[in-house]
This record gives sequence, C-alpha cells and structure tokens, in this order.
Amino acid sequence: AQSVTQLGSHVSVSEGALVLLRCNYSSSVPPYLFWYVQYPNQGLQLLLKYTTGATLVKGINGFEAEFKKSETSFHLTKPSAHMSDAAEYFCAVSDFSHAGKSTFGDGTTLTVKP
Amino acid sequence: DTEVTQTPKHLVMGMTNKKSLKCEQHMGHRAMYWYKQKAKKPPELMFVYSYEKLSINESVPSRFSPECPNSSLLNLHLHALQPEDSALYLCASSQDRGSGELFFGEGSRLTVL
Repeated sequence: AQSVTQLGSHVSVSEGALVLLRCNYSSSVPPYLFWYVQYPNQGLQLLLKYTTGATLVKGINGFEAEFKKSETSFHLTKPSAHMSDAAEYFCAVSDFSHAGKSTFGDGTTLTVKP
Repeated sequence: DTEVTQTPKHLVMGMTNKKSLKCEQHMGHRAMYWYKQKAKKPPELMFVYSYEKLSINESVPSRFSPECPNSSLLNLHLHALQPEDSALYLCASSQDRGSGELFFGEGSRLTVL
C-alpha cells in the first residue's frame, strides 16, 4: 500500500521567510514523488517531481524538495516566501504497483503575511 | 496556460437533468483521468482510461458515466445526481498510466440543486 502524510494542514509565514512544507510517504517499492500547487478555483499544477537520480529536485517558482529515503520524506522548501505563494499544496506518491493511481496527502494551506 | 481544457467551467443542474462534462488534451498522452474534489480536500480518483479503455473505476455510482471517444477526449456523463455530488471535477492526463506525473485541467465546478 502507498500513503502520504502532510504534517500541518495550515502553515503561515511572513513574506521573505523560509517556507517548509512537510511530507512523509509510505511505499512498498521505490516511489515517484510529486508536489502540486492549487490556487483558488483552479486545477492542480505540478511544482516538482522525484523519479530517480538526484535526490534534490528543483521546481518552478523557486521551490525545491529533497528525497530522503532513510526518513521516507520529501519536504518542500523555498528560501523566501512571496505573497503569490499563498495556495494549497499537495504531496503525492505513485509507484508501479499502483499504476495509474496517485495517492495524495490531505494538503497544506500556505498563508503568506505581509 | 493549461494544456488540458475542461468545459464548462461552471454547471448548475437539477437532480433530474442529464448533462456532460468534457475534457480535451493535445499532448499525445495515453492516460486520462477524472477526479472529484470537495472543498479543502485532496482530489479523489474516479476513473482512469488507458489507451482509450477504462482501466480503473473506483466504485463510482452509476449516475456518473465516463466515455473516451478518442485519445484526446474524455467525457463524464451526469444523470440523476444528488446534492452531495456538488464538487469540482478535475480532468487530468499523463503520458501513460504508470508515469505518475499528472497534468490537470482547471476543473468544472458542479452544483446540484
């Protein structure tokens, strides 16, 4: 079975501060891991993905995430928050044993204070 | 700009109506998906089509009927819906069923009266 746990349903940071959104996963086989962002009344947009290779992956809008197998984590970070980063963020896991089925975390709402 | 196009963006229907949601992608992807999303919740998988064949049905009620006329189009036919079916319906595509990376449309906001 595969699962995703996002720690913290709400995260609030000040503009310019570090953003850290936490994601832990469970998978019986090497996973593919994803972070998606959803702005109000829109669909989900891929921020970044880990499949194989380099464990530090860079995505759009200055976000990056590090795959840590020993910690089964894939936390999302951004050095300096911008007001436009305020959105819902979903971590997701997919593996070949569940082909076609991505499992999403419950989401984290990021608020950015001026 | 999203490369997965969904129409209509908003739909209001009564419980006795029949309506359809449409989705189109021109990225050459061979897998297409319907998700249902309630407010403040993650997307829930409904159906997966792979190479135009239905490969996953997540025990969705028969009042939702998917159709994949060709590799670029995906429809969701709606009939006799309930108010609790009101939600954002998201279409997504991926290169193939196992690639994992999903490309989402902006969704169709459905309200059932």
